[in-house]
Amino acid sequence: EAGVAQSPRYKIIEKRQSVAFWCNPISGHATLYWYQQILGQGPKLLIQFQNNGVVDDSQLPKDRFSAERLKGVDSTLKIQPAKLEDSAVYLCASSPPDREVTEAFFGQGTRLTVV
Amino acid sequence: TQLLEQSPQFLSIQEGENLTVYCNSSSVFSSLQWYRQEPGEGPVLLVTVVTGGEVKKLKRLTFQFGDARKDSSLHITAAQPGDTGLYLCAGVYAGNMLTFGGGTRLMVKP
Repeated sequence: EAGVAQSPRYKIIEKRQSVAFWCNPISGHATLYWYQQILGQGPKLLIQFQNNGVVDDSQLPKDRFSAERLKGVDSTLKIQPAKLEDSAVYLCASSPPDREVTEAFFGQGTRLTVV
Repeated sequence: TQLLEQSPQFLSIQEGENLTVYCNSSSVFSSLQWYRQEPGEGPVLLVTVVTGGEVKKLKRLTFQFGDARKDSSLHITAAQPGDTGLYLCAGVYAGNMLTFGGGTRLMVKP
């Protein structure tokens, strides 16, 4: 079975520019997560979707970050405008529905560098 | 927000040594997971522990869930260079919410 697909793998932008990341979860996975992982730290949850509804976006900086999951499948995460401190790896993960124990499957991530 | 603290943050050991990584919280979790992450890749699930006091073994790795379901440990016996990586604990709560610790970066020297 295909894994979680993310693109692009790498992105370099100047501060104040905009950027978008794309995620295609594993087919049939109802839950989709976006995490931000700053170098040397653990992943921090930005937003969690259940199908196309938002479960938790309490740590999403909503003044500059936005995310959507159209039709409950693919998802995009956008940053506008970017700041230097947004430099990080953005990880997308998905998990299947109706499991007694949650298991998250991660993509390879998008490494963003803001200069 | 549920917080998980991992210790140590960094660990550099020689091949053949044993090590233990700790994951602590003041919050109760329905289950606790351990992931391993290699450079340029996403985290990969190693194990999930569900019951307080549960011990699971995966070859040379032993995982334990605290009785109160607030903490966990990962013990590696006779570490090998292939064990090098970032080890992350993650607490599961409110169904399928997943929060991660800060990670332990392990380097095993030949």
